[in-house]
Amino acid sequence: AQSVTQLGSHVSVSEGALVLLRCNYSSSVPPYLFWYVQYPNQGLQLLLKYTSAATLVKGINGFEAEFKKSETSFHLTKPSAHMSDAAEYFCAVSVYNQGGKLIFGQGTELSVKP
Amino acid sequence: GAGVSQSPSNKVTEKGKDVELRCDPISGHTALYWYRQSLGQGLEFLIYFQGNSAPDKSGLPSDRFSAERTGGSVSTLTIQRTQQEDSAVYLCASSLGWNTEAFFGQGTRLTVV
Repeated sequence: AQSVTQLGSHVSVSEGALVLLRCNYSSSVPPYLFWYVQYPNQGLQLLLKYTSAATLVKGINGFEAEFKKSETSFHLTKPSAHMSDAAEYFCAVSVYNQGGKLIFGQGTELSVKP
Repeated sequence: GAGVSQSPSNKVTEKGKDVELRCDPISGHTALYWYRQSLGQGLEFLIYFQGNSAPDKSGLPSDRFSAERTGGSVSTLTIQRTQQEDSAVYLCASSLGWNTEAFFGQGTRLTVV
């Protein structure tokens, strides 16, 4: 069975500081991995996805994530936080033989201090 | 349509009543998913449609929950005899296929009182 663990339910950074949101996955087959962002009272928006091509994936709004098979990790980073990055972030795994359904982590709420 | 549309956006119902939640996916998207988001449980998969058939209903929490999809388009999630623990945000997503981006609707916030 696939699962996702996000370390830290809340992360707080200062504006301009590095953002690092941690995600570890468990999958018996090569996974497809995703990061989604959810702004208050809105649906989920895809930030980026890993689908077995390049291990360093670049997404929208300056975010990127690196797939590390040896560490079963897919951490999300952004060099410099902006106030508008404050939101909840979800890591998810999808496996090809399960129709594309997503298994989500518990989410990490990112706060950005001025 | 331009995006995934869900209605109603908010629903307050009395315990024991039935409710229907509607999802209108992006035109041409053959895959449709329902998820539930609640404080204690995070984001949970409920059911997946490929066309009008549902190959995976494994996430439906009880037989009070059912869903259908007609014409390969609109889907309805029905909850019978609602309970307070059914209170959550119900999210619908659609995609072109299993390895493509899933687009999410804004969700329906269900409150059972």
